[in-house]
Amino acid sequence: KNEVEQSPQNLTAQEGEFITINCSYSVGISALHWLQQHPGGGIVSLFMLSSGKKKHGRLIATINIQEKHSSLHITASHPRDSAVYICAVPPSQGGSEKLVFGKGTKLTVNP
Amino acid sequence: GAGVSQTPSNKVTEKGKYVELRCDPISGHTALYWYRQSLGQGPEFLIYFQGTGAADDSGLPNDRFFAVRPEGSVSTLKIQRTERGDSAVYLCASSSTGGRAFFGPGTRLTVL
Repeated sequence: KNEVEQSPQNLTAQEGEFITINCSYSVGISALHWLQQHPGGGIVSLFMLSSGKKKHGRLIATINIQEKHSSLHITASHPRDSAVYICAVPPSQGGSEKLVFGKGTKLTVNP
Repeated sequence: GAGVSQTPSNKVTEKGKYVELRCDPISGHTALYWYRQSLGQGPEFLIYFQGTGAADDSGLPNDRFFAVRPEGSVSTLKIQRTERGDSAVYLCASSSTGGRAFFGPGTRLTVL
């Protein structure tokens, strides 16, 4: 079973700061997901990436397959970025369903 | 374009009652997943459908939980004889084969 570790668990930042959230996993995978969850429970898929880097607006996700590590960066953070950010991976190489989720990183951005 | 929708958004029930939670996936998505998220935890896999059939139901905690997807689109998660420990947010996601999963807003179930 793939084990997913996220750090930090909680993160408080001031508006404008650069944010980094880390995710490590134990079993080689085909792709990794970064998800955003706002209070109330709804989840939004931010990225699915299998190599290199992806960028969407102020969000950047990187993955190092050899190191089994991914990072999510937020540039020029804003209070509306406050949410729980969750990393999720398939249980094994080639599996795309049945995702295994990290416990999430709770981000609070203060004005 | 409609995303994944789930109804109800909130459900409060009494211990021992039966509940049904509904998921409407994105049109054309063949894969549908149910997850359960307890307070302070990441979501945990319950069941995965490919079309009408349950391809993997290994995450269902016990036989009080059952899910169907009779026509390969809408899915219903059914919980019999609810217990307080069933209280959680139940999340549904859908995807095309091998594609990115799109999540619904979740149903928050509270068992009193």
